[in-house]
Amino acid sequence: EVQLLESGGGLVQPGGSLRLSCAASGFTFSSYGMSWVRQAPGKGLEWVSGISGSGRSTDYVDSVKGRFTISRDNSQNTLVLQLNSLTAEDTAVYFCAKEKRDIGPRYFDLWGRGTRVTVSS
Amino acid sequence: DIQMTQSPATLSASVGDRVTITCRASQSINNWLAWYQQKPGKAPKLLIYTASNLESGVPSRFSGSGSGTEFTLTISSLQPDDFATYYCQYYTSYSGTFGQGTKVEIK
Repeated sequence: EVQLLESGGGLVQPGGSLRLSCAASGFTFSSYGMSWVRQAPGKGLEWVSGISGSGRSTDYVDSVKGRFTISRDNSQNTLVLQLNSLTAEDTAVYFCAKEKRDIGPRYFDLWGRGTRVTVSS
Repeated sequence: DIQMTQSPATLSASVGDRVTITCRASQSINNWLAWYQQKPGKAPKLLIYTASNLESGVPSRFSGSGSGTEFTLTISSLQPDDFATYYCQYYTSYSGTFGQGTKVEIK
């Protein structure tokens, strides 16, 4: 079955760190770009970060540059988002999403169910 | 940065109605636009890409049109399963920008 399954969310204090993972199955993971998209409580969708199929090319929304790092392990079919220096504004459900090609365009034909990140003291 | 504005924010309609949602870009985005449907507590689902291409498995009552700065998503005959929030998304090879969403409610 083609699916994405996120894990690693939870409650973290401001300034803390968290590592999100996304396990992919049912498709040739290395052939597709991947992204993280988040949704704050009661709000809309926000693209956060993307990575090419090889992992050589990465992109970030300005608000997370220097704090978040996206990576992938194609041997393990896993996408990772490392979240550092977290603030309350990072509180959201984080979705893992598959792109239609190796390198862009960044729209998404497969989504995971999401993992919730709450930043609070 | 390009901004995406959807209208209306909320739409009340009945089963069988023809529904149109508009998405406007702050500058021309050619046809680099996708539409998604999201139900409460669920992940978004891709409906349309490149402004007018129907994603595989999506019912034909959904259609997309437009280019440049103005785009529309049309549901030709609203079904009970279609009550949800709809998002447009401008995309490039490097990033994606979503509209704020349009909630389609039961009238």
